[in-house]
Amino acid sequence: KQEVTQIPAALSVPEGENLVLNCSFTDSAIYNLQWFRQDPGKGLTSLLLIQSSQREQTSGRLNASLDKSSGRSTLYIAASQPGDSATYLCAVSSSGNTGKLIFGQGTTLQVKP
Amino acid sequence: EAQVTQNPRYLITVTGKKLTVTCSQNMNHEYMSWYRQDPGLGLRQIYYSMNVEVTDKGDVPEGYKVSRKEKRNFPLILESPSPNQTSLYFCASKRLAGFNEQFFGPGTRLTVL
Repeated sequence: KQEVTQIPAALSVPEGENLVLNCSFTDSAIYNLQWFRQDPGKGLTSLLLIQSSQREQTSGRLNASLDKSSGRSTLYIAASQPGDSATYLCAVSSSGNTGKLIFGQGTTLQVKP
Repeated sequence: EAQVTQNPRYLITVTGKKLTVTCSQNMNHEYMSWYRQDPGLGLRQIYYSMNVEVTDKGDVPEGYKVSRKEKRNFPLILESPSPNQTSLYFCASKRLAGFNEQFFGPGTRLTVL
């Protein structure tokens, strides 16, 4: 059974710092991996999708990497800003095209001005 | 604007009173799904649909029904809500073919008294 773990559960950094959020999964047979952002009481915003054959994806200040063999993904945020404060969720799709996402518990990030 | 919409956004109801949460997407996606989010349990899939008239159970389907009569709509039905269905509900959609990201709605916060 696929399990997804995100460490740390919470992180507080000063503005401007570069940071890394970690995601690990137990079954390397994934279809893809998706990083989301969730603001308090709000929906999920898709940040990056990495296909199983890819090693990384970049969008602006965000860079996500994927190492299937070790069951790990990282989300790198460059030059963090207070507006980056949110919960970041990692989710893997393991079941071909049935689409089910298995989510981690998330990392809650606070960027202090 | 491409989006997934849900209604209502907030709902307080009483045990046993049937309710429907609507979900609609304007991206012509074949795949739609419902998740619930609970503290400590994360996001879990309730039901999904691969296309019109094709639905299947996710991980936590008990107490829920769905229907997919039109491609754009995927309502979630609680025939007899109970307090343990108090949760934050999300609808999602994606294109079925290929490695496509899932788009999530803004969420529906349901409280069953």
